[in-house]
Amino acid sequence: KQEVTQIPAALSVPEGENLVLNCSFTDSAIYNLQWFRQDPGKGLTSLLLIQSSQREQTSGRLNASLDKSSGRSTLYIAASQPGDSATYLCAVSLGANSKLTFGKGITLSVRP
Amino acid sequence: GAVVSQHPSWVICKSGTSVKIECRSLDFQATTMFWYRQFPKQSLMLMATSNEGSKATYEQGVEKDKFLINHASLTLSTLTVTSAHPEDSSFYICSAHRTNEKLFFGSGTQLFVL
Repeated sequence: KQEVTQIPAALSVPEGENLVLNCSFTDSAIYNLQWFRQDPGKGLTSLLLIQSSQREQTSGRLNASLDKSSGRSTLYIAASQPGDSATYLCAVSLGANSKLTFGKGITLSVRP
Repeated sequence: GAVVSQHPSWVICKSGTSVKIECRSLDFQATTMFWYRQFPKQSLMLMATSNEGSKATYEQGVEKDKFLINHASLTLSTLTVTSAHPEDSSFYICSAHRTNEKLFFGSGTQLFVL
């Protein structure tokens, strides 16, 4: 059974800091991995999608990497801003159009 | 703009009543939609996979008679929480695939059962 772990559960950093959010998964036979952002009481916004054949994806100040063999992914946020404060969820899929297995998320707080 | 619309965004109901939540794909057809539930500070847990024109596939431990799923068209799936109880209070969220693209999520429904 696939398990996704995100540690720590919460993180507080000062504005401007570069930071890394970690995600690990137990079954390396994934189809893809996604990072999502969730604001309190809101739905999910997909940030980055990495296919199993890819090593990283970039969007603006965000960079996600994937090491399938070791079961790890990182989300790098450059020059963090207070608006980045949210919960960041990592999820893996075992196939196309397949269900996602989510981690519990990391709640990020960026202090002005 | 949003590609998956979910309604209502929140609902309060009395214990014992039923609540219907709608999930619509706005500009694409979705043969498969997923329903998740999220308790505070917990991960999203898949409840069921909604298949257009056929029965939904429920995850282990999810009562199919309590959480009725109907996927009558390629753009609409509904989740009905029947005889709701306070322990059913949770955040419910749907998602759908647009062909060969990443998964899109609705904005979620916060259910409060009194």
